[in-house]
Amino acid sequence: DAGVIQSPRHEVTEMGQEVTLRCKPISGHNSLFWYRQTMMRGLELLIYFNNNVPIDDSGMPEDRFSAKMPNASFSTLKIQPSEPRDSAVYFCASSPGQSNTGELFFGEGSRLTVL
Amino acid sequence: GENVEQHPSTLSVQEGDSAVIKCTYSDSASNYFPWYKQELGKGPQLIIDIRSNVGEKKDQRIAVTLNKTAKHFSLHITETQPEDSAVYFCAAAETSYDKVIFGPGTSLSVIP
Repeated sequence: DAGVIQSPRHEVTEMGQEVTLRCKPISGHNSLFWYRQTMMRGLELLIYFNNNVPIDDSGMPEDRFSAKMPNASFSTLKIQPSEPRDSAVYFCASSPGQSNTGELFFGEGSRLTVL
Repeated sequence: GENVEQHPSTLSVQEGDSAVIKCTYSDSASNYFPWYKQELGKGPQLIIDIRSNVGEKKDQRIAVTLNKTAKHFSLHITETQPEDSAVYFCAAAETSYDKVIFGPGTSLSVIP
């Protein structure tokens, strides 16, 4: 399996622009997580889905952030409008779900820079 | 909600020495404690985990201990090698399929 695939790997944009980050989880995994990593705040859980349904979005910073999972093989994290403080590495991770060992499989991340 | 603290934030050891990273958690409902290793430019990767019904677990040079009463858990790496250099994260969750909350990370450097 190719693992969790994220795109783009790097994104540089200007303040106020819309940003869309994409994730393809490992086939057969039932849970999907979006994390944000910064030096100041470490790895923060933004939202997670189980069987394509959002279970907990309490980590989403504000209304500018939204996430969707239209099917089992695709998820997006959108920021609109983007701000410089959104600059971070955004990770998507998937997990087999309730029958599993608990391991999260992370993608390589999308590094976002908002100027 | 759960809060995970981790110490030290940076750790430098000589090759062959041991490294110990300590974590505390706040939510007594947490029962699953994984440890992840993150190499530069990559996503975190699970290296070992422990559940609340076990006090200690070993896998080759890595061991984890858990004290549920004190809400402490630790990672021990023996005979460190340069390839152990990375950022290590402890984490906690209620179950192995619940949301995982990470500690702030420890940057480990192993000096050859």
